[in-house]
Amino acid sequence: SQQGEEDPQALSIQEGENATMNCSYKTSINNLQWYRQNSGRGLVHLILIRSNEREKHSGRLRVTLDTSKKSSSLLITASRAADTASYFCATLNDYKLSFGAGTTVTVRA
Amino acid sequence: NAGVTQTPKFQVLKTGQSMTLQCAQDMNHEYMSWYRQDPGMGLRLIHYSVGAGITDQGEVPNGYNVSRSTTEDFPLRLLSAAPSQTSVYFCASRPGDPSGANVLTFGAGSRLTVL
Repeated sequence: SQQGEEDPQALSIQEGENATMNCSYKTSINNLQWYRQNSGRGLVHLILIRSNEREKHSGRLRVTLDTSKKSSSLLITASRAADTASYFCATLNDYKLSFGAGTTVTVRA
Repeated sequence: NAGVTQTPKFQVLKTGQSMTLQCAQDMNHEYMSWYRQDPGMGLRLIHYSVGAGITDQGEVPNGYNVSRSTTEDFPLRLLSAAPSQTSVYFCASRPGDPSGANVLTFGAGSRLTVL
């Protein structure tokens, strides 16, 4: 069964706007990772946040983690057409990564 | 440096046929894994290996076999294909990773259709 679940399933925004997606998970984790998948391609790692961290930044990406609520959020600021993709959270537990079903983000020009 | 290479990219099988999806990595990664991706289901772990000669089952192993005779290669075998195995298959690898981060590098995927 899936460990992480993303919300919303799909998101459509205008170029330049921010995109926020959430991930909830069920069991304790070592870390939480976000991956991006462009249409027809493999997944690419974006950012990792460890269980003892609350916030992490990388370029236009900001990730938060709330272990008490078992949830994480990914914020993409100033979105671009190239950000159109599916985004997956993945939780690490006992050295295995479990993925959610993903959020599909469409950035309109 | 090619990363993770999967072949074939596309395959159509008839029910009952067998085939092997190939996965090779040139990064000297110890850990390799196979996932399947189905609409609305995310990625589900089929089998994984923590090193040559060692394999273990993931979340959905039934109908699949793996072996790891070398560090570089991790083939996935479908023994008797069923329509329920129609999916996109991804191979992913990572180093032994003393930091414990476990960040995966993915191949481009193999799309399998079973008729």
